[in-house]
Amino acid sequence: AQSVTQPDIHITVSEGASLELRCNYSYGATPYLFWYVQSPGQGLQLLLKYFSGDTLVQGIKGFEAEFKRSQSSFNLRKPSVHWSDAAEYFCAVGPYTGTASKLTFGTGTRLQVTL
Amino acid sequence: EAGVAQSPRYKIIEKRQSVAFWCNPISGHATLYWYQQILGQGPKLLIQFQNNGVVDDSQLPKDRFSAERLKGVDSTLKIQPAKLEDSAVYLCASSPGTHSSYEQYFGPGTRLTVT
Repeated sequence: AQSVTQPDIHITVSEGASLELRCNYSYGATPYLFWYVQSPGQGLQLLLKYFSGDTLVQGIKGFEAEFKRSQSSFNLRKPSVHWSDAAEYFCAVGPYTGTASKLTFGTGTRLQVTL
Repeated sequence: EAGVAQSPRYKIIEKRQSVAFWCNPISGHATLYWYQQILGQGPKLLIQFQNNGVVDDSQLPKDRFSAERLKGVDSTLKIQPAKLEDSAVYLCASSPGTHSSYEQYFGPGTRLTVT
């Protein structure tokens, strides 16, 4: 069964500092990997996704993520955090093949940004 | 382009009562999802529709939960009778197709409190 682990429940960074959110996955085949962001009272918004090819993926809002197959990781990074980045971030994994598109989400990491 | 619409945004009911949630997906999106997001957890897929047919309902508690998408457009999710553990945010999402490569667009969710 597929699963996603986000080991950090809550992270606090200063505005302008760099950010890395960790994500480890377990999946029996080649997965699709996603990062979503959820602001308070809002639905989830897709930041980026990885299917194949270049292991460094660029997303919206200046975020990027690196797929490391040997470590089963897909960590999210941003060089300089803005106060508006404060939100909850979810990593998710989905099947590469077939028509089912069931996503399995991690438990999320809440990001707090201090000014 | 209008996003995924959900109503109501908030609902408070007593246990053993029934409740229904409504979702209108993005126009033209064939695939519709209902997720349950319990506080402190990531979203969990309850049911996935392709047009008006069910693709995956393996995690839907069918003794109390039901969902329909009769005309392949909007959808309703019903809980009858509700239990305390059903307190959660219910998210609706839609995508152009069933494969994981399609981005899922999420609505703002309905926050259900069961007392």
